[in-house]
Amino acid sequence: DTEVTQTPKHLVMGMTNKKSLKCEQHMGHRAMYWYKQKAKKPPELMFVYSYEKLSINESVPSRFSPECPNSSLLNLHLHALQPEDSALYLCASSQDLDSGRLDTQYFGPGTRLTVL
Amino acid sequence: SQQGEEDPQALSIQEGENATMNCSYKTSINNLQWYRQNSGRGLVHLILIRSNEREKHSGRLRVTLDTSKKSSSLLITASRAADTASYFCAMIHFTGTASKLTFGTGTRLQVTL
Repeated sequence: DTEVTQTPKHLVMGMTNKKSLKCEQHMGHRAMYWYKQKAKKPPELMFVYSYEKLSINESVPSRFSPECPNSSLLNLHLHALQPEDSALYLCASSQDLDSGRLDTQYFGPGTRLTVL
Repeated sequence: SQQGEEDPQALSIQEGENATMNCSYKTSINNLQWYRQNSGRGLVHLILIRSNEREKHSGRLRVTLDTSKKSSSLLITASRAADTASYFCAMIHFTGTASKLTFGTGTRLQVTL
């Protein structure tokens, strides 16, 4: 199984709402990632988890809160978002990060988020 | 910024023709990868080339890497309509505690019948 799943596929939320994005993989990967992608732009790294611990936070605003409950799951909690946060949010996983052995990342289909 | 620059930004060719995309980056890398993204969907890994390699092939794909010029190219031969997508180069940087993947600006490829 080389699939990364993300739910929901689409999400519309108001600026006062609290919502969560979910990501799951069953490939035994120990590194998981959140990316944000605006239209016609490349994905931008937000967070990296390695062995369920936050390894990289790319200075993301605190209204985005990541969580890694176990090695297969990655959540992104959203609160008090702004309209400019509307984007495609992509989750990815890879085998591990030890000694730079970062190879292929497997991406989920993304969650299309619209903030009204 | 460690982001790579790709050119052309957009490329339109007919089925059967070859497509070449170029990527330039700014800092040293551990390896470089190419990904494809169909419209508004997740990215699919195509090929990885390590910093000590100069050329790599996979099916209709040929990737070159010139670390002295900090550049890479992706050649798709005998293109098909199904190759229509955006293509991104991605640079791997190992920070000592973790590795980061930084994408280039992307090339939008349109293959027409």
